[in-house]
Amino acid sequence: AQKITQTQPGMFVQEKEAVTLDCTYDTSDPSYGLFWYKQPSSGEMIFLIYQGSYDQQNATEGRYSLNFQKARKSANLVISASQLGDSAMYFCAMRTIQGAQKLVFGQGTRLTINP
Amino acid sequence: KAGVTQTPRYLIKTRGQQVTLSCSPISGHRSVSWYQQTPGQGLQFLFEYFSETQRNKGNFPGRFSGRQFSNSRSEMNVSTLELGDSALYLCASSLGRRETPMNTEAFFGQGTRLTVV
Repeated sequence: AQKITQTQPGMFVQEKEAVTLDCTYDTSDPSYGLFWYKQPSSGEMIFLIYQGSYDQQNATEGRYSLNFQKARKSANLVISASQLGDSAMYFCAMRTIQGAQKLVFGQGTRLTINP
Repeated sequence: KAGVTQTPRYLIKTRGQQVTLSCSPISGHRSVSWYQQTPGQGLQFLFEYFSETQRNKGNFPGRFSGRQFSNSRSEMNVSTLELGDSALYLCASSLGRRETPMNTEAFFGQGTRLTVV
């Protein structure tokens, strides 16, 4: 079975600071993909960044980077220079070969950026 | 390029009724997946359709069903609604190619918020 664990229900960060959102995963499948999504209050899930299990380098997309530690089964999201618009729920998700198109989500972290 | 469109955005239904939700994927995407989001259970996978066929299914009762049309648009139906069906229902669209499932992004719609009273 696949499982995603996000241990931070909520985080409060000052604007312009960097923030790390934790994500650990569990799967016996050697081939998997890890995703981070942002969900503002409007409800839409916005794709942020992807990391494949065989990727040698950590993924980066603008202000977002993924700290991938395969041996520890962790895939933490790092947001640099946080902005007020970053306030939202953040979900870590995983897809495996066995699960095909199914995404397994963590419980999410609510990030609040303070001015 | 138009995004994923879900209709309606909001619904209020009474226990025992049935409801149909609609999802139009991104043009060219053949895979449509449905997820239920509740405060208690989080995001849970309902099912996935590809080329009009259900390819994957989550652990939901038979009251939850879906279908996909030849233009890839998908509908989800819930019969005999229960209070616990109140949730945000999200639809995700992707290319759905089996040979590259891992890095295939899933693009989500804004969801349909269903309230059962």
